[in-house]
Formats: sequence, structure tokens, C-alpha cells
Amino acid sequence: DVKVTQSSRYLVKRTGEKVFLECVQDMDHENMFWYRQDPGLGLRLIYFSYDVKMKEKGDIPEGYSVSREKKERFSLILESASTNQTSMYLCASSLFRDTDTYEQYFGPGTRLTVT
Amino acid sequence: SQQGEEDPQALSIQEGENATMNCSYKTSINNLQWYRQNSGRGLVHLILIRSNEREKHSGRLRVTLDTSKKSSSLLITASRAADTASYFCATGGHFGNEKLTFGTGTRLTIIP
Repeated sequence: DVKVTQSSRYLVKRTGEKVFLECVQDMDHENMFWYRQDPGLGLRLIYFSYDVKMKEKGDIPEGYSVSREKKERFSLILESASTNQTSMYLCASSLFRDTDTYEQYFGPGTRLTVT
Repeated sequence: SQQGEEDPQALSIQEGENATMNCSYKTSINNLQWYRQNSGRGLVHLILIRSNEREKHSGRLRVTLDTSKKSSSLLITASRAADTASYFCATGGHFGNEKLTFGTGTRLTIIP
């Protein structure tokens, strides 16, 4: 079974802090994704990566950056946390195939509160 | 921008009844997927239907796709309390585009 793990289930940070959210997958997937989920807005894509050191902006990248130094690990970085970044953050991974879109496998989520 | 819109936003039914959720989308797609999310957890993939398919079954799940109307429906038959969850449709774009665009979800409650 594919397993996607996230470093924390709950996290509380102060405004202005630099925050790192870590995601690790164990199935050698090429693609990895970071979403945030807010009530009434569904899932919104922040960034995704299709290979090591490769990244592409999603729909709401402002205030975030990412790092993918190893294939299995994809990190989301909040450079200076703000209260409007309080949210549920979900990591996902999928296989790459250039003629199709594969299902995504999700981690359990990190509920981040910025005070 | 949100591609998929689920309808209804919330649905409550008695255990044993069938539950139907609908999804509409705006642009052409390669495939459409349905996911389930239990409260406060990650999403779990349920079923994928390709743009050239009209219907697909998986256990108690039945998915239909009408590309002319840009809509899909998810039917859960003989519902169980464990089916209580939020359900999301997600659309996959053109070839080579790995991104999925998720809707806002339908919250399903099964009353025992």
C-alpha cells in the first residue's frame, strides 16, 4: 500500500515564524502536491513537483515555497506565517504518466494554527 | 479556480438508502475522479472514470459521466454508517497535465 506521511497532525505557530511542513511517500512516485483545505473552498493547490528539484506553482502559491531535494520528500515552507495561513494542509503523491492523470494518494493532513 | 462543483453541499439519509451526489465542471477533461474524506483526515481515492467512459462500477459505487453536460454523478447503494464522510470530485486535465482540480465537496451523513 502507498503510504504518505506528514510530519505533524497538529501545529501551532506564531505570526512571523518560519514554518516547515514535511511530507514523505514510500512508493517512488514522481509527482507530489501540497494543498490547503478551508471550509467552503475545498482543496486548493499550492505547489506541485514532478521530479526532484522541479516545482510548479499551483493556484495559491503566494506566501509559500517548496523544496524537493529527494524523490520521496516534499517540504512546504511558510516563510513568515500569517493568521490567514491557518488551515488544514494536505500532501499527496501520484505516479507520472505523460498520457494520463493518475489517482493521488493523500497524507493524513496537518492542521496548522497561526496565532 | 474551482473546476468542480458538487451538489448538494450536504445530504442526510437513512442507513440502507441510496445516496446520489452530483458534480459539474467547466472545461474539457481527461478523466474525473471521486474521493472520500473522513472527518479531519486525508482524502481516499474511490474511483476514476475516463472521458471516453459513460459508467463505471466499484462495489456499492456507481459513477456516471456525461461529457456533453459536463457532469458526473456518484451513487452509493445500500448506505452504511461508515459511509458518513465528505465526497469530492476532481477533474484531470489534458494529457501531460498531472494536476487535479477539486470541487468543494458534498457532506454525506448516514443516519443509523
